[in-house]
Amino acid sequence: GPKVLQIPSHQIIDMGQMVTLNCDPVSNHLYFYWYKQILGQQMEFLVNFYNGKVMEKSKLFKDQFSVERPDGSYFTLKIQPTALEDSAVYFCASSLGGQDTQYFGPGTRLLVL
Amino acid sequence: SQLAEENLWALSVHEGESVTVNCSYKTSITALQWYRQKSGEGPAQLILIRSNEREKRNGRLRATLDTSSQSSSLSITATRCEDTAVYFCATVDQGGRALIFGTGTTVSVSP
Repeated sequence: GPKVLQIPSHQIIDMGQMVTLNCDPVSNHLYFYWYKQILGQQMEFLVNFYNGKVMEKSKLFKDQFSVERPDGSYFTLKIQPTALEDSAVYFCASSLGGQDTQYFGPGTRLLVL
Repeated sequence: SQLAEENLWALSVHEGESVTVNCSYKTSITALQWYRQKSGEGPAQLILIRSNEREKRNGRLRATLDTSSQSSSLSITATRCEDTAVYFCATVDQGGRALIFGTGTTVSVSP
């Protein structure tokens, strides 16, 4: 089936540093999403993005978070500065339409020390 | 808020047996989705069942939806070791795009 790629697979950084998580969505998809999953807990929606704009965001999407997809390249999640509670697995997803099946990447495991 | 919850943390079965995962939700929905997440991977959609459907099948998978009791089930027949995974139900929020996942039920299939 359609594949979403995420780079890197793992990232360890010191608290206060900036991190950028990269997502390569399915090529013809138009909607992009980030979800956060803390170990042992349920996956939670962060943000979705369409036509160059944030469409929806949850309360987990703090001011330190930002997303963009410059010129149709990677869809990125940037956290600046990072905090200890940002340690989690971040999943990217994409869909063709807003109501269509979301295809997920394998996740980026972020550890903030 | 809409919340989807699976009823059990974990289930263990032997290959060839059937297993059923249950899910309950709290508000009205237009559709409910079942996802599977294998270790080290992202979730993958298995079945989407709409609110006007009572049952949906996909190979060895069968999902049911009871809107009166706000519950759903996912049954897997003739289980295989590769069915070992965490199974989530998910609904969509009022914006219609963000998925709201339950905590998941870990299904372990042993030889």
